[in-house]
Amino acid sequence: EVQLVESGGGLVQPGGSLRLSCAASGFAFSRYSMNWVRQAPGKGLVWISYISGGSSNTHYADSVKGRFTISRDNAKGSLYLQMNSLRDEDTAVYFCARGYSGNYSPVDYWGQGTLVTVSS
Amino acid sequence: DIQLTQSPSFLSASVGDRVTITCRPSQGINNYLAWYQQKPGKAPKLLMFSGSTFQSGVPSRFSGSGSGTEFTLTISSLQPEDSASYYCQQFNSYPLIFGGGTKVEIK
Repeated sequence: EVQLVESGGGLVQPGGSLRLSCAASGFAFSRYSMNWVRQAPGKGLVWISYISGGSSNTHYADSVKGRFTISRDNAKGSLYLQMNSLRDEDTAVYFCARGYSGNYSPVDYWGQGTLVTVSS
Repeated sequence: DIQLTQSPSFLSASVGDRVTITCRPSQGINNYLAWYQQKPGKAPKLLMFSGSTFQSGVPSRFSGSGSGTEFTLTISSLQPEDSASYYCQQFNSYPLIFGGGTKVEIK
């Protein structure tokens, strides 16, 4: 069974940093691209970052480019999101999600999400 | 960047009704469009992508169609468990973009 479990969310002050993790199990992690998607309270889904299976390709939404860094450790089956210079508008539930197939694909499995609150 | 205009943003319908949600990309996306269902407090669930490919376990009352700059998700006979928000997403190019969402309420 595919499982994705996020952790690392919490309350952080504006300008602060946080590192999210996503532990994957139940599939050959290194063969799949991964994404981070966020959802502000009461709002819609927003894709924020992608990483290919071998980490050779990454993409970011303009809203986080230069502040967030996606990475993965295939040996550990883990995905990460390093978030720096956090802003109020980064407050959201952050989901990790598996790419279905290839570099251009929908996401077929999602974690339960971890809440990040940016507030002073 | 590609924009996705999803409509309506809210709809209220009765059990058994036929419901259609529309997603309009700002440019061609080679049919690289997916539909998701999200219930309150839960992660989204992939329903289908590229027009008509169904994910395992998705009821047959859900169908997708369209091409070019108009795509639709249809629920042929609305059921109580279909009360949820629905999102389209293009995966033709980065940044991946989601539509604004449609909240479906059961009358």
